[in-house]
Amino acid sequence: NAGVTQTPKFQVLKTGQSMTLQCAQDMNHNSMYWYRQDPGMGLRLIYYSASEGTTDKGEVPNGYNVSRLNKREFSLRLESAAPSQTSVYFCASKTSGQETQYFGPGTRLLVL
Amino acid sequence: EDKVVQSPLSLVVHEGDTVTLNCSYEVTNFRSLLWYKQEKKAPTFLFMLTSSGIEKKSGRLSSILDKKELFSILNITATQTGDSAIYLCAAVYNTDKLIFGTGTRLQVFP
Repeated sequence: NAGVTQTPKFQVLKTGQSMTLQCAQDMNHNSMYWYRQDPGMGLRLIYYSASEGTTDKGEVPNGYNVSRLNKREFSLRLESAAPSQTSVYFCASKTSGQETQYFGPGTRLLVL
Repeated sequence: EDKVVQSPLSLVVHEGDTVTLNCSYEVTNFRSLLWYKQEKKAPTFLFMLTSSGIEKKSGRLSSILDKKELFSILNITATQTGDSAIYLCAAVYNTDKLIFGTGTRLQVFP
């Protein structure tokens, strides 16, 4: 099992460009999450999907959209990137009834 | 406002030392507390604590939760350089969400 995978690993964008971060899990988990991690801020929840077909906002959703494409895949889209979105983005997943989330390796995004 | 606070922010020790990392929380609808270790990439799961006073142990690492005083500690005995990492605690609230502390950066030198 690969667990949680994320692509790309690293990306540089110019202000105003758009991009989609991809996340997939092969653990048959129902719930999936997107976090961003900034120095001194810890991990903050952007969006989550408790089950296929549902998505909800987290703590810092502004400037992002998500799509739960199917049970395995959960993508995060930046429509018009801003320098404030420079961060490391982590995807996570968990199974229903359990509370432990399992994380992907992260995507480092730099917006110039 | 829900929050999780970790202390210290940073810790530098020598191999063989014992360290204690602290995590306090104020979270509505608290369910459990999780500890993660983050080296270069993904946070990896260490412990889940749900009940007060019951120690979870894995090798040189152990952790305990105090639901009355709203805190948890993570102990690492006989530290090794491989223990160098950021240690994150997170409170589970409602049914699906985590709120993380900012982490404690541990550096272990030979």
